[in-house]
Amino acid sequence: TQLLEQSPQFLSIQEGENLTVYCNSSSVFSSLQWYRQEPGEGPVLLVTVVTGGEVKKLKRLTFQFGDARKDSSLHITAAQPGDTGLYLCAGEVQGAQKLVFGQGTRLTINP
Amino acid sequence: KAGVTQTPRYLIKTRGQQVTLSCSPISGHRSVSWYQQTPGQGLQFLFEYFSETQRNKGNFPGRFSGRQFSNSRSEMNVSTLELGDSALYLCASSPRDRGRVTEAFFGQGTRLTVV
Repeated sequence: TQLLEQSPQFLSIQEGENLTVYCNSSSVFSSLQWYRQEPGEGPVLLVTVVTGGEVKKLKRLTFQFGDARKDSSLHITAAQPGDTGLYLCAGEVQGAQKLVFGQGTRLTINP
Repeated sequence: KAGVTQTPRYLIKTRGQQVTLSCSPISGHRSVSWYQQTPGQGLQFLFEYFSETQRNKGNFPGRFSGRQFSNSRSEMNVSTLELGDSALYLCASSPRDRGRVTEAFFGQGTRLTVV
């Protein structure tokens, strides 16, 4: 059983479209992070959200942490081919200082 | 500040052999975690070391082991390699400061192929 469920697992859309990726759990997390990984490379940290209901923006990317700190979403506006990659969410288990990762969402933006 | 460095980047081994992978964390980071990444299973946690002590361990057989040195550098060893051990092995370092959220800074990984 995956502690963090990401959906969708695969997403292929055209350049300019908007999209949302979800990360859900029945567990409460101290913090939640989003990473982006390109082929043959390690994941790169995009953002960390800590407070329930928190919203952070990174250019065209908007990250939201659920009020109950059990879920998160990543919204990309006007997607570009450079956004292509594997997006991973990771939750910090309360009291354990340990990260658990979702299975990832493989995003492809077609020109 | 230099990032996390993993060596080697690529490795080809034969079934039954053993392999040692190396990771140098970001300067000042005391925690090093290892992950196995495969297309089917995603990112699977192997173990974490902090100040030379294993703090957390994932569900992997005893063939997978690791250690951390006093300078925080870490090594991971896999003995009696199996075809299913072919994967991208990622190392991540974290500051692990008290009161600070845990964030992972990953190296580029070691691509291990077992033939």
